[in-house]
Amino acid sequence: GAVVSQHPSRVICKSGTSVKIECRSLDFQATTMFWYRQFPKKSLMLMATSNEGSKATYEQGVEKDKFLINHASLTLSTLTVTSAHPEDSSFYICSALEQNTEAFFGQGTRLTVV
Amino acid sequence: QKEVEQNSGPLSVPEGAIASLNCTYSDRVSQSFFWYRQYSGKSPELIMSIYSNGDKEDGRFTAQLNKASQYVSLLIRDSQPSDSATYLCAAPTGFQKLVFGTGTRLLVSP
Repeated sequence: GAVVSQHPSRVICKSGTSVKIECRSLDFQATTMFWYRQFPKKSLMLMATSNEGSKATYEQGVEKDKFLINHASLTLSTLTVTSAHPEDSSFYICSALEQNTEAFFGQGTRLTVV
Repeated sequence: QKEVEQNSGPLSVPEGAIASLNCTYSDRVSQSFFWYRQYSGKSPELIMSIYSNGDKEDGRFTAQLNKASQYVSLLIRDSQPSDSATYLCAAPTGFQKLVFGTGTRLLVSP
């Protein structure tokens, strides 16, 4: 299957700081990428759809000013958690759509805000 | 009704048995379905996709789709302890977004 690389895999940050997470499609171009968060023992929750060259589409209840998404190229989307707080601690996962059919996931980023 | 529903489990099977995982969906327009496996603390991994009615086999895995009943299943033959994970069923909605079920936790005992 296609390869999606997500970085960093783990990050610990202080409350009030911002954290950037990168998602790259390594062997294909992805016009659409998705960002999810997952709490322990819960299912994936879609946060936003990232479209290359245009603004991201956020799901209801997700603050666009807090979770900034940039999809500047066909192989890279970034999620920036701004002014992070302990309640933002979670597992963040990106996925990229290959040929607009199958979605492949990055390795995930475990964010801990202290 | 949730768009994609799964029994959360856990489903416990002995090593070597067949594990049967089920999923129902509400959107009759959905044309494709996906099964992902997620190990604890890891991200989901695509293991099967199915687009047409009937069975699709890949190694020890068989996906079954019944569009009339809005039902999709995953069979794992000769289950191994390494198959112990959470299995997520997913279907696309509009705008290519995938909707996931809550997942079924599978436990394969040696």
